[in-house]
Amino acid sequence: GAVVSQHPSWVICKSGTSVKIECRSLDFQATTMFWYRQFPKQSLMLMATSNEGSKATYEQGVEKDKFLINHASLTLSTLTVTSAHPEDSSFYICSAEEAGGWYEQYFGPGTRLTVT
Amino acid sequence: AQSVAQPEDQVNVAEGNPLTVKCTYSVSGNPYLFWYVQYPNRGLQFLLKYITGDNLVKGSYGFEAEFNKSQTSFHLKKPSALVSDSALYFCAVRDPRALTFGSGTRLQVQP
Repeated sequence: GAVVSQHPSWVICKSGTSVKIECRSLDFQATTMFWYRQFPKQSLMLMATSNEGSKATYEQGVEKDKFLINHASLTLSTLTVTSAHPEDSSFYICSAEEAGGWYEQYFGPGTRLTVT
Repeated sequence: AQSVAQPEDQVNVAEGNPLTVKCTYSVSGNPYLFWYVQYPNRGLQFLLKYITGDNLVKGSYGFEAEFNKSQTSFHLKKPSALVSDSALYFCAVRDPRALTFGSGTRLQVQP
């Protein structure tokens, strides 16, 4: 089956620093990748959608200058949290969709970000 | 705007009993519906989907879901629950843009 990986699985960083999270589709080409944020005991909130080679589309209320998304290839998307603050601490999950895949998204295992 | 509702925050069931996790949806046009399961500190795993065709959809791990257009529901079911089924379950609806998730239902299966 289709596999999506995320790296790192968890990261602790100091307030004011930046952290990059990678999302890779391992055995398929992902024309579209999605980034979600999940707070404890809550549902997934879509942050942005990215298509390979084009700018990401951000959801309302998501700061594009703070959450930088790059989808440089058909197998890799990155989310950079810039100038992180404690309120950015969360569980970040990516997913990937294959062209013609009947909208089925494959999810990565998630990245736990803690900002101290 | 499309949406899904999961009216139960938690469902408790004894091992071996049938289980149902409820989901209702609101969309314009034909619904593309999904169920995902999430284990602690993990991403989501795909269980099943309804795109078109038979109203009863069979998925992974013995789960199935019934699409009911008149009641706008897509309830997740399993004939006999296992303790290992205990997890967080999300219903979702897809439009050309993205998935919209329900609030999630925690399933607790007691031995």
